[in-house]
Amino acid sequence: DAGVTQSPTHLIKTRGQQVTLRCSPKSGHDTVSWYQQALGQGPQFIFQYYEEEERQRGNFPDRFSGHQFPNYSSELNVNALLLGDSALYLCASSTPTGGGETQYFGPGTRLLVL
Amino acid sequence: RKEVEQDPGPFNVPEGATVAFNCTYSNSASQSFFWYRQDCRKEPKLLMSVYSSGNEDGRFTAQLNRASQYISLLIRDSKLSDSATYLCVVNGRALTFGSGTRLQVQP
Repeated sequence: DAGVTQSPTHLIKTRGQQVTLRCSPKSGHDTVSWYQQALGQGPQFIFQYYEEEERQRGNFPDRFSGHQFPNYSSELNVNALLLGDSALYLCASSTPTGGGETQYFGPGTRLLVL
Repeated sequence: RKEVEQDPGPFNVPEGATVAFNCTYSNSASQSFFWYRQDCRKEPKLLMSVYSSGNEDGRFTAQLNRASQYISLLIRDSKLSDSATYLCVVNGRALTFGSGTRLQVQP
């Protein structure tokens, strides 16, 4: 049973560039959430996708956007990168049971913005 | 005020010790509660859900006090392998994580 997978594992970009991160959910899951984890902090919720639509969004600017495909995989796009965007980006998948669902995390993508 | 607050630690304890972590949350509408464990440079993994009646899983016991908006995790007979960061998580509209409490179990 494949767990949540993410690509790439590491990425280095420069300020102003754009980046796309990818996530494939755990088998049987149709909901994907994205989180940003800065060093020494807990993960911060970016947004959640279900049925190819953004269902919820955290306090992140419009530079952060996403997409979910019919096969439930998802992308996170960040435009106009800032130094402060350097973080571990985590994808989590779940099934929508109306709250309280367990989320399973992928290994993350480490983004460094120079 | 942060939505979920935890003591960042680190907690340095000897093997075999009992250690307790506490967490408070601000959103009284929160529906479900969890403890996640995160090893260094790894993803968070669910340790256990937390229920008002309290629940136990081996050496781990979690408690929830909705009136005080307080969550706790007790680890008995600490092992070296318990060394990690423990994240308190509250689910309202989305999962909200505390900053984590680092535990270092020493031989």
